Amino acid sequence: DGGITQSPKYLFRKEGQNVTLSCEQNLNHDAMYWYRQDPGQGLRLIYYSQIVNDFQKGDIAEGYSVSREKKESFPLTVTSAQKNPTAFYLCASSIGGRNGANVLTFGAGSRLTVL
Amino acid sequence: QKEVEQDPGPLSVPEGAIVSLNCTYSNSAFQYFMWYRQYSRKGPELLMYTYSSGNKEDGRFTAQVDKSSKYISLFIRDSQPSDSATYLCAMAMNRDDKIIFGKGTRLHILP
Repeated sequence: DGGITQSPKYLFRKEGQNVTLSCEQNLNHDAMYWYRQDPGQGLRLIYYSQIVNDFQKGDIAEGYSVSREKKESFPLTVTSAQKNPTAFYLCASSIGGRNGANVLTFGAGSRLTVL
Repeated sequence: QKEVEQDPGPLSVPEGAIVSLNCTYSNSAFQYFMWYRQYSRKGPELLMYTYSSGNKEDGRFTAQVDKSSKYISLFIRDSQPSDSATYLCAMAMNRDDKIIFGKGTRLHILP
């Protein structure tokens, strides 16, 4: 079945450590996105990529980094510079382009807790 | 004024009732409107996708857009306990434009 796989589902991190969240899709979608979800805050866009080897900052990119070396993969690194990293992280993808960018398919999410 | 406003709830209704979920928005340029359903500890899934004004029906779900009032609604008929989830409205100006999400409404259907 086609879909988006995020791992790990739960992750604990000590302060000062970088962590990388994995996102893999087999939908052959061009565009991929990372969102952060906090209680009462809705979904906030961290980074997005419309094509391999290219990505753009979203609304809250500070303290995060991404790469897009393969079409299927869009890992997110939460760096020690992110002041409040405890959150639920969602990866999404879409067909992209002018006719399909805003129909998103989401993964199941990764919950990061900083101890 | 926030771009998209959505009452966070929780909204509790008895099984079988008609549920009405709503969002208001401030940007009259929005043309594409979506509703996502998110179960606890899961990712959102697209429920309804509409363009411009009007109604769209899919089974027990009806999405309604009133662009003159900048108001969108999702109606759920014959609500079931399995409909208990958070419902997120979302909208965009164009098909390749950034999506703006509401904060979500938590819905509880009581058996």
